Amino acid sequence: NAGVMQNPRHLVRRRGQEARLRCSPMKGHSHVYWYRQLPEEGLKFMVYLQKENIIDESGMPKERFSAEFPKEGPSILRIQQVVRGDSAAYFCASSPLTGEGDEQFFGPGTRLTVL
Amino acid sequence: AQSVTQLDSHVSVSEGTPVLLRCNYSSSYSPSLFWYVQHPNKGLQLLLKYTSAATLVKGINGFEAEFKKSETSFHLTKPSAHMSDAAEYFCVVSQGSNDYKLSFGAGTTVTVRA
Repeated sequence: NAGVMQNPRHLVRRRGQEARLRCSPMKGHSHVYWYRQLPEEGLKFMVYLQKENIIDESGMPKERFSAEFPKEGPSILRIQQVVRGDSAAYFCASSPLTGEGDEQFFGPGTRLTVL
Repeated sequence: AQSVTQLDSHVSVSEGTPVLLRCNYSSSYSPSLFWYVQHPNKGLQLLLKYTSAATLVKGINGFEAEFKKSETSFHLTKPSAHMSDAAEYFCVVSQGSNDYKLSFGAGTTVTVRA
C-alpha cells in the first residue's frame, strides 16, 4: 500500500504566479488534511477535506489560498499570486473513513520557494 | 486553545546513550498527544500516541513517552540511541473535540555521534 503521495516535491515560483500542490491520499482514505510549515516552526493546520467537501478551513489564509478534494483525482492546494511569505513546506495527511481521532498519515511534503 | 512547547531545538547524543526529548503542552480538554519523527526528505511517521489509556506509552523503534498530567509533560525517551535515530522529532497535541486538528511543536533535531 503506497503511502501518501505529494507532488511536486519542490516547486519554484516567481512572485505573482500560481502554485498548485497535489496530494494523493493512501488507498482507502477519504479524509485529507493540509498543513504548512514555515521555517523554524512546527506544522500549522490549514484545512480538512473529505471527498467533494471542505469540512474545516479555519487555518487557511482568507485570500489567495483554496483547496479541493474532487470525487476523482488528488486533493489540490492552490495558491494564487504567490508572495515570498508563502515560501514554506506544505504537508498533506490522510486518514481512513472514520476520520476523527484516527492517526494521520503524512506525505513527504512539497517545498515551495517563491523568488 | 492547544499548544505545545518543545524545550530543546537541538539534542546531540552519542550512539548507545539515552535520548530525552522534552515536551510540555497546554490543553483545555483531555488531550491526545503524539510524537512524530521526520527523516530528511521523508514524510512524518508516527512514533507513538497517548489517548487517555496507560500513561506510559511504548512506540516503535524502542521509543516511549510518559504522560504526566500534573506536569503537563509528554517527554520522549529511548534508552540507547542508534545512528538511524538522527532526525527531527515533533511533539503534537490534538485539539479536544476537533481532534483532527493537530498542533505541532517547533521540533527537536537529534544528531547522533558515533
